[in-house]
Amino acid sequence: GAVVSQHPSWVICKSGTSVKIECRSLDFQATTMFWYRQFPKQSLMLMATSNEGSKATYEQGVEKDKFLINHASLTLSTLTVTSAHPEDSSFYICSFPGQGGFGYTFGSGTRLTVV
Amino acid sequence: KQEVTQIPAALSVPEGENLVLNCSFTDSAIYNLQWFRQDPGKGLTSLLLIQSSQREQTSGRLNASLDKSSGRSTLYIAASQPGDSATYLCASSGFQKLVFGTGTRLLVSP
Repeated sequence: GAVVSQHPSWVICKSGTSVKIECRSLDFQATTMFWYRQFPKQSLMLMATSNEGSKATYEQGVEKDKFLINHASLTLSTLTVTSAHPEDSSFYICSFPGQGGFGYTFGSGTRLTVV
Repeated sequence: KQEVTQIPAALSVPEGENLVLNCSFTDSAIYNLQWFRQDPGKGLTSLLLIQSSQREQTSGRLNASLDKSSGRSTLYIAASQPGDSATYLCASSGFQKLVFGTGTRLLVSP
């Protein structure tokens, strides 16, 4: 089945710094990828759709200048949280669309804590 | 705009019980319905995927049904075990987008 590697699994950073999260598909290629955010005890909310070779599409209310997405290849997408603030502390998770009709595959997630 | 709701929000049962988790969605124009399991602080594990043309899928002790006309899906867990304790999420799939439900936190006690 499809395998997605996401790292780091957790990161603590100081307010004002930037953090990069990587998501890589290990055994398939995808032109599209999704980034989600999950606050404690809430469900996953789609942040943006990452398109290989073009600009990402952001959901309403998500700041594109704050959450930089780069989908430089068919197997790698990165999310950079710029000038992080404590309110950005959350669980970030990537997802690739289904392969062969098997639904979506998710990364293991990244717990970001901004202090 | 698709809205997905799950009931109950939390469920606590003794080991061995059969249980049903409910998922409802407002827009029946979906491609498929997927059930996931999420352990605390972890990513999502796909459990079952029901295509829009299907009515149910089974995997081991899990059975998921889909009724598009009524906007409902159920996840049936037979003979629950402590290892089933997790949050269960349903998600409807539209055009390349998943909309997640609010989740059901399940605790199965020994």
